[in-house]
Amino acid sequence: GDSVTQMEGPVTLSEEAFLTINCTYTATGYPSLFWYVQYPGEGLQLLLKATKADDKGSNKGFEATYRKETTSFHLEKGSVQVSDSAVYFCALTTSGGYNKLIFGAGTRLAVHP
Amino acid sequence: GAGVSQSPSNKVTEKGKDVELRCDPISGHTALYWYRQRLGQGLEFLIYFQGNSAPDKSGLPSDRFSAERTGESVSTLTIQRTQQEDSAVYLCASSLAGVETQYFGPGTRLLVL
Repeated sequence: GDSVTQMEGPVTLSEEAFLTINCTYTATGYPSLFWYVQYPGEGLQLLLKATKADDKGSNKGFEATYRKETTSFHLEKGSVQVSDSAVYFCALTTSGGYNKLIFGAGTRLAVHP
Repeated sequence: GAGVSQSPSNKVTEKGKDVELRCDPISGHTALYWYRQRLGQGLEFLIYFQGNSAPDKSGLPSDRFSAERTGESVSTLTIQRTQQEDSAVYLCASSLAGVETQYFGPGTRLLVL
């Protein structure tokens, strides 16, 4: 079945460091891909998405490119801030006419001053 | 406007008791999803509603779990004879029909002692 694998955390970085969180997927058909973020004490929020191959999603300085050839959707940010500390989830929507989300296990990011 | 709301925010119960979790989706959102997030894990899909019908119940882990939706609005997830492994955060999300972006509620944290 469809699945998402993302790098295990926690990832600990200093402020202004470069961030990469790896995400790969297995899916039939042509899923849409998402990154969701869960800040401490808050609900899950959509960070960015891409709906077809080679699309780049971007938001708040974060970017991810839908790579069909490598079945990947890695999250990157050039310069992280303390406020980016959160848990990041990679996800895809399955085919089938509706948008059930399949999530990765999540990666906790801690950014220190 | 109001987002997705869930109640209660926290629930502690004894093993063997029944619990009901409530979700109020965003007004006008006909699609509604329930997910479960166990400690340190990603979200698991439980059930999907389109209107008041549930065309996909494939994620419900056992027959102790059931859900209903009325008036194309409020949904209730019921867990009968709770077990300790049911302890998790239960998240509800809603979306417009055919639209991929789901909006998540804050979740209900369930602890079964």
